[in-house]
This record gives sequence, structure tokens and C-alpha cells, in this order.
Amino acid sequence: AQTVTQSQPEMSVQEAETVTLSCTYDTSESDYYLFWYKQPPSRQMILVIRQEAYKQQNATENRFSVNFQKAAKSFSLKISDSQLGDAAMYFCAYRSEETSGSRLTFGEGTQLTVNP
Amino acid sequence: KAGVTQTPRYLIKTRGQQVTLSCSPISGHRSVSWYQQTPGQGLQFLFEYFSETQRNKGNFPGRFSGRQFSNSRSEMNVSTLELGDSALYLCASSLAEQGRGSPLHFGNGTRLTVT
Repeated sequence: AQTVTQSQPEMSVQEAETVTLSCTYDTSESDYYLFWYKQPPSRQMILVIRQEAYKQQNATENRFSVNFQKAAKSFSLKISDSQLGDAAMYFCAYRSEETSGSRLTFGEGTQLTVNP
Repeated sequence: KAGVTQTPRYLIKTRGQQVTLSCSPISGHRSVSWYQQTPGQGLQFLFEYFSETQRNKGNFPGRFSGRQFSNSRSEMNVSTLELGDSALYLCASSLAEQGRGSPLHFGNGTRLTVT
């Protein structure tokens, strides 16, 4: 079974600064996707970024980028120029592409605080 | 396009009762998944439906069940409620036919409190 671990329960960053959230995972599969979702107080999970395991190039979405280290099974999220609206719970998630379905395995989450 | 809609947003039930939660996916999405979120256990997968068939099931007791209708709307039912069933229940839909990596789109959840 796959597992996802986020070792930082809480992180804080100053507005306009950069912060990196860590995620490690364990799998014996080679074909999978990794995702970062954010969950603000509104409770809705919002997709931040996704990475296909077969792609070596790190995904980037505006101020959000990942550092995907497949051999180390590490998938960190970097948020540049942090904004107050980035404050949320962030979840790392794994999805197998070797089994049918859209099942996600989530990490424990990291609560990000952005200080003005 | 309207997002994933979950109703109701809040529910308070008594131990031993049963409850039904509803989820309307994004138009055109045929895959609907359900997750339970609690402070202690985090986010756990309940089940997934695709074209009215259960495609995947998580490790939950049989008291948790679900179904999907021909219009892709889904319901989940919890019978004989226990205090530990208090949680945020999240529904997500995806355009499975989009292929690899098609993301899940989540609703705002239903907060269930069992007293």
C-alpha cells in the first residue's frame, strides 16, 4: 500500500517571502501522479499543482513549483512571493495510474500561516 | 460551470440514527469519490463510483454505503451512527475520460456531528 508523509504539521512565512513544504511517499509503483491540494477555512479542497512520475521536469504553476525527487520519493512544494490568501492547510496526495480509478492517498497536512 | 455541490452543509444526528449525504458532480463528470476527514485520522478514502458502479472501496465498515444515479449524482449513507462518525465528508468528481492525471474537484463538504 502507498503511504504519504508530511512531517511539518505547521509552517509559517512572512508575506512576500518563500516557503517550502515537504512531502515524502512510499510506493513500489512506477506510474503515478502526485498532487498538492490546499484547503482554506472554506473547507473546499483546491488543486494547487500536479506532477506525473514519468516527467523529470518539475511542475510549475505561477508562484507554485515542486521539487520532485523520484529516487528519494520526495515531492516538496515551494511557494514564492507568499500572499495572505495562501494561508491554508496543504495536503500532498498520491494517485496510482497502475490501478483503475481516481483514489487519492493523502498526507497528514501542513497548516501554513502567512504573516503580514 | 457549477462546481461540485454537497448537501446539506451541516448535519446533527443522534447515535444509532442513519444519515444520507448528497453530492452533485460537475456537469459531464462521471466519477464521484467520497472521503472522510477527521482531526485524528486525516483524509481517508471511502469509495468511488463511475457510471453507477462502485469502482473502488476504502477500508470502512459496511455501515458506510453509497450509490450513484444515472445523472452521476451520488449519495452516501451511514447507518447506525457512532460518535466516531463525526467528521467532514468530502465529495469529489473527475472527468475520468480525460485520461491520465485528471484532477479531482472537491465540494465544500458536509459536516456531520453525531451526539
